[in-house]
Amino acid sequence: DPKIIQKPKYLVAVTGSEKILICEQYLGHNAMYWYRQSAKKPLEFMFSYSYQKLMDNQTASSRFQPQSSKKNHLDLQITALKPDDSATYFCASSQSTANTGQLYFGEGSKLTVL
Amino acid sequence: GEKVEQHESTLSVREGDSAVINCTYTDTASSYFPWYKQEAGKSLHFVIDIRSNVDRKQSQRLIVLLDKKAKRFSLHITATQPEDSAIYFCAAKGSNYNVLYFGSGTKLTVEP
Repeated sequence: DPKIIQKPKYLVAVTGSEKILICEQYLGHNAMYWYRQSAKKPLEFMFSYSYQKLMDNQTASSRFQPQSSKKNHLDLQITALKPDDSATYFCASSQSTANTGQLYFGEGSKLTVL
Repeated sequence: GEKVEQHESTLSVREGDSAVINCTYTDTASSYFPWYKQEAGKSLHFVIDIRSNVDRKQSQRLIVLLDKKAKRFSLHITATQPEDSAIYFCAAKGSNYNVLYFGSGTKLTVEP
């Protein structure tokens, strides 16, 4: 059974629209992350959260907004979509950001922006 | 921030041979170096890691070496099998402990 659930698995959007990517983890972890994988940047860190607080943001654009309504949720809202946003977005979690434990990744949400 | 460079973008070996993937990093404070495997169309899975207090770690057919002076670490896969074929990513966690930085990936093909 997948312990990190990402929805939807695939989505297609038109330029200028808005989408929300859902992520829930059932590992009891306190830290959650978003990474983006595209042909240009194979695995790019976006955000890290610990106990629902933003710890690091390395996404240049404010069009990307993480939202954590519960400790085991970290959704990603993307507004004013551009074709360059096309990528697979991976949610991940770990016990905490501070320790050196492994990351667990979800199956990804593949976004195509037309 | 930390920059992780993965030197081989592709690597092809014959089944039974060894494969070596090399990575370098920039942050001297980096202390944790995991490796992840991504099979075609799938997500990433942890395979092995090494911490800066040791320079070698082995788990079955996987060996990780760490050279802190050279800021270099490598993954050795011995007695390769076709199911080892995947993209392997190295990563490093440095002074910014909130972020695990990844290399660009090495596509390993093990030919029968």
